[in-house]
Amino acid sequence: AQTVTQSQPEMSVQEAETVTLSCTYDTSESDYYLFWYKQPPSRQMILVIRQEAYKQQNATENRFSVNFQKAAKSFSLKISDSQLGDAAMYFCAYRSATGANSKLTFGKGITLSVRP
Amino acid sequence: EAGVVQSPRYKIIEKKQPVAFWCNPISGHNTLYWYLQNLGQGPELLIRYENEEAVDDSQLPKDRFSAERLKGVDSTLKIQPAELGDSAVYLCASSLGAVPSYEQYFGPGTRLTVT
Repeated sequence: AQTVTQSQPEMSVQEAETVTLSCTYDTSESDYYLFWYKQPPSRQMILVIRQEAYKQQNATENRFSVNFQKAAKSFSLKISDSQLGDAAMYFCAYRSATGANSKLTFGKGITLSVRP
Repeated sequence: EAGVVQSPRYKIIEKKQPVAFWCNPISGHNTLYWYLQNLGQGPELLIRYENEEAVDDSQLPKDRFSAERLKGVDSTLKIQPAELGDSAVYLCASSLGAVPSYEQYFGPGTRLTVT
C-alpha cells in the first residue's frame, strides 16, 4: 500500500519570504500522480499543484513550484513571495495512475502560518 | 459554475442519534466521493460512486454507515447510531470520471460533533 509522510506538523514564514514544505511517499509503482492541496479554515480543499511521475520537469503554478525527486520519493512544495492568504493546512497526496479504482492517499498535513 | 455543495456545515448530536449529510456535486460530474477527515489528519476515502453505483465502499463501516446516490446526482451519507468517535469532518468531492487524471473538486465539508 502507498503511504504519504509529512513529518513537519507546523511551519511559519514571514510575508514575502519563501518557504518549502516537505513530503515523502512510498510506492512500488512507476506511474502515478502527486498533489499538493490547500485547506484553509473554511475547510474547502483546493488543488494547488500536481505532478505526473513520468514528467521529469517540475510543475509550477505562479508562486508555487515543486521539487520532485522520483528516485528519492520526495515531493516538496515551494511557496515564493508568501502572502497572508497562504496561511492554511497543506496536504500532500498520491494517486496511482493505473486503474479507475486508484484512490487519493493523503499525508497528515502541515499547518502553515504567515507572519505579517 | 457552482462548486460542490454540502449541508449542513455543522451538526451537533448526542451519541446513539442518527445523522445525515447531503452533497450536491458539480453538474456533469459522474464520480462522487465521500471522505472522512479526523482532526489533524488527511482525508480518507469512505465510498466512491460512479453515477448511482457504489464501486468502492471497502472503507465504509457498514454496520452504522450507509450512503446512497439516487439518480446519480445528489448523495446522502448517513450514520445510525452515531458514536463519540464519529466526530470528524465529512467531505464530499466530485470529478468528471474515475480516471486518475481527472481532478477531484471538494466541498466545504460537514463538521460533526457527537456528544
